[in-house]
Amino acid sequence: QKEVEQNSGPLSVPEGAIASLNCTYSDRGSQSFFWYRQYSGKSPELIMFIYSNGDKEDGRFTAQLNKASQYVSLLIRDSQPSDSATYLCAVNPGGATNKLIFGTGTLLAVQP
Amino acid sequence: DVKVTQSSRYLVKRTGEKVFLECVQDMDHENMFWYRQDPGLGLRLIYFSYDVKMKEKGDIPEGYSVSREKKERFSLILESASTNQTSMYLCASSPLRTEAFFGQGTRLTVV
Repeated sequence: QKEVEQNSGPLSVPEGAIASLNCTYSDRGSQSFFWYRQYSGKSPELIMFIYSNGDKEDGRFTAQLNKASQYVSLLIRDSQPSDSATYLCAVNPGGATNKLIFGTGTLLAVQP
Repeated sequence: DVKVTQSSRYLVKRTGEKVFLECVQDMDHENMFWYRQDPGLGLRLIYFSYDVKMKEKGDIPEGYSVSREKKERFSLILESASTNQTSMYLCASSPLRTEAFFGQGTRLTVV
């Protein structure tokens, strides 16, 4: 079992819809969780981080964390064509060092 | 703004060459990382460092070594480049227990 799993997609949504991206992780002791966006040919950029169970909102983005079920999700409201990218989930399993483990990413395509 | 700078955007090297990829960060971060990214395989951790002269192996360290002589600089070394090391290499840095910031990436082709 991979440590961090994401559906590779592509996930296709119409412009203005809500895009829902999901991620599961295997290490129950994981401490912190991150969502990165990566445009084709570019490096990943941080969108959101979440440390506690529940929802965290930032503009059109909402991150949701459920540690009991070991999943984290990202909702993008009012999706725009410019949101089309690969979304990477990253998990810090905790411990003495700050190692980040990434999923393989979900490709999101927002159709105009 | 945090800046992580990788020395080259594109590199072409020959099989068997020793290759150095350099990464510099300007935010006094403790942690630095080297990942490679390949289609369908995502970001895989090669090595990371949590302090000067300290390093730990990631998931795919074979064929690579690293050096961190100064806090701001983390070098990835391909001892004898092979064609299966053709990839995008990404350096990142982070303070303790928070998000990582990435450099622009180096696309390495080994011929």
